[in-house]
Amino acid sequence: AQSVTQPDIHITVSEGASLELRCNYSYGATPYLFWYVQSPGQGLQLLLKYFSGDTLVQGIKGFEAEFKRSQSSFNLRKPSVHWSDAAEYFCAVAFTGGGNKLTFGTGTQLKVEL
Amino acid sequence: GAGVSQTPSNKVTEKGKYVELRCDPISGHTALYWYRQSLGQGPEFLIYFQGTGAADDSGLPNDRFFAVRPEGSVSTLKIQRTERGDSAVYLCASSPSSDTQYFGPGTRLTVL
Repeated sequence: AQSVTQPDIHITVSEGASLELRCNYSYGATPYLFWYVQSPGQGLQLLLKYFSGDTLVQGIKGFEAEFKRSQSSFNLRKPSVHWSDAAEYFCAVAFTGGGNKLTFGTGTQLKVEL
Repeated sequence: GAGVSQTPSNKVTEKGKYVELRCDPISGHTALYWYRQSLGQGPEFLIYFQGTGAADDSGLPNDRFFAVRPEGSVSTLKIQRTERGDSAVYLCASSPSSDTQYFGPGTRLTVL
């Protein structure tokens, strides 16, 4: 069965510092890959997605992610974090032909220090 | 445009009661998904509709859970004989073509 691992439960960074959130997946083929952000009381907002093609994908709010097939990873990055980026971040995968139901990681809670 | 809406936003019920949770997808979206998010966890898939039919209900935990989408738009998730373990946030998402899913704000269900 497919699975998603987000090894960091909590991360704290200073405002203006760079950020990298890790995501690894387990699946026999290349799945569709997603990053979502969830702020308190809010629904999940899509940051970016990878289906195929260029392995470096750009998303909203200045985020980017890189798909590395050899490492089964899809890490999320941002060069300079803003205080408003504090939220919970979820990596998710979907396999083709399965209606694209999402399997989520357990999330990484990001705290931004001013 | 209007996003996915879910009602109620909060629902408190007593153990053993029946509850219905409603999802209004984005207009024109043919695919609709239900997920459940327990505290400190990522969302977990429950059921997926393509049009009016349930294409995949493999995530429903047991036969107390049921969902319908009779006209291919609004969906209702129904939970019978609620248990305290059913307490969670229930998320609905819709998609124009089974790729990118757009989520609603969720319904927080508390079973006392």
